Amino acid sequence: QQQVKQSPQSLIVQKGGIPIINCAYENTAFDYFPWYQQFPGKGPALLIAIRPDVSEKKEGRFTISFNKSAKQFSLHIMDSQPGDSATYFCAASSPGNTGKLIFGQGTTLQVKP
Amino acid sequence: DSGVTQTPKHLITATGQRVTLRCSPRSGDLSVYWYQQSLDQGLQFLIQYYNGEERAKGNILERFSAQQFPDLHSELNLSSLELGDSALYFCASSVATGGGRYNEQFFGPGTRLTVL
Repeated sequence: QQQVKQSPQSLIVQKGGIPIINCAYENTAFDYFPWYQQFPGKGPALLIAIRPDVSEKKEGRFTISFNKSAKQFSLHIMDSQPGDSATYFCAASSPGNTGKLIFGQGTTLQVKP
Repeated sequence: DSGVTQTPKHLITATGQRVTLRCSPRSGDLSVYWYQQSLDQGLQFLIQYYNGEERAKGNILERFSAQQFPDLHSELNLSSLELGDSALYFCASSVATGGGRYNEQFFGPGTRLTVL
């Protein structure tokens, strides 16, 4: 019940395309859903995050869509660029005394020029 | 640059040895989290400290321990190392503890541990 399932494992798109990465969870207590971007040899960097009382959030070219009833959320990258090539992780945490993040398995994105 | 620093960047050691990984959180952050990243297990939460006190434990082995000091830096101690402990170890920090927007976690560059 503590798992976050992420798909696809890898994704290749052409420059300008809109890659979509999906995540699903079971624990309805989760109330914070961040996405992280990781480049090789670097630590994960917070990209964008959403709370379940919002169905969509946009920051620049990155959009999170959230479906509370389906317990799913997804990341869309508009007008993708080769510089967006990285590994993307979704995560979730629940309210309480800790903020530990439960991560999805990651999606390796390649944007071809 | 997230503002979180970790040392050393790389560590190569032998089985059975003990190592210490160090993390300095962002200025003003009271929470420190440790995560392990391996190819087969992904990013796994190990342990969290808040203002010097342990707040949560994940799948952390008994051979591993951590502490947070009064200046808020944290150390992760790994002992009796095994080949399977080879991984990237990340430290993250946040302003507070608990869930939600106050839990925005910022990750350091990681320490790559290789056990031979």
